[in-house]
Amino acid sequence: AQSVTQLGSHVSVSEGALVLLRCNYSSSVPPYLFWYVQYPNQGLQLLLKYTSAATLVKGINGFEAEFKKSETSFHLTKPSAHMSDAAEYFCAVSEGGAQKLVFGQGTRLTINP
Amino acid sequence: DARVTQTPRHKVTEMGQEVTMRCQPILGHNTVFWYRQTMMQGLELLAYFRNRAPLDDSGMPKDRFSAEMPDATLATLKIQPSEPRDSAVYFCASGLASGPYEQYFGPGTRLTVT
Repeated sequence: AQSVTQLGSHVSVSEGALVLLRCNYSSSVPPYLFWYVQYPNQGLQLLLKYTSAATLVKGINGFEAEFKKSETSFHLTKPSAHMSDAAEYFCAVSEGGAQKLVFGQGTRLTINP
Repeated sequence: DARVTQTPRHKVTEMGQEVTMRCQPILGHNTVFWYRQTMMQGLELLAYFRNRAPLDDSGMPKDRFSAEMPDATLATLKIQPSEPRDSAVYFCASGLASGPYEQYFGPGTRLTVT
């Protein structure tokens, strides 16, 4: 079965600093990969998705993620953090043709002024 | 701007009462998912449907939970009888039955069972 591991349940960065949220997956077939963001008291919002068209994927709000097959990773980055980026971030992998998404446990991002 | 809608947004009820949560998927989407989110367990998949047919409800406590899709524009999740341990945020998500299978989430129903 596919699985997702997010390293670090809590990440704290200063405003203006680089954001790096780590995600590793296990899959026996080429996966579809996703990052979602959840702001307080809201549902999950799709940030970006990897569909094998390009290894570097750009998403909303200045985020991007790079698919590295050799490392089975799909880390999320943003060059300069804003206070509004404070939220919980979830990495997810599509479980083959079954359409189910397998989610990581989430990483809470805190931005320090 | 197409969105998944859920009602009610908040529900407080007493133990033993029936609770029904409703979801309207994005028009044209043919898969619907129900999730539960708690601090302890995180995000759990309860059930999902494709073309209104249930495909997997293995995540759902069968004795008290039931999920249905009376039509393509409505999905329901019912708990009867409710228990305090059911307190959580319940999310509905919808998507298409073709790759890459991204899901679009509703705002959730926050359920509190006292």
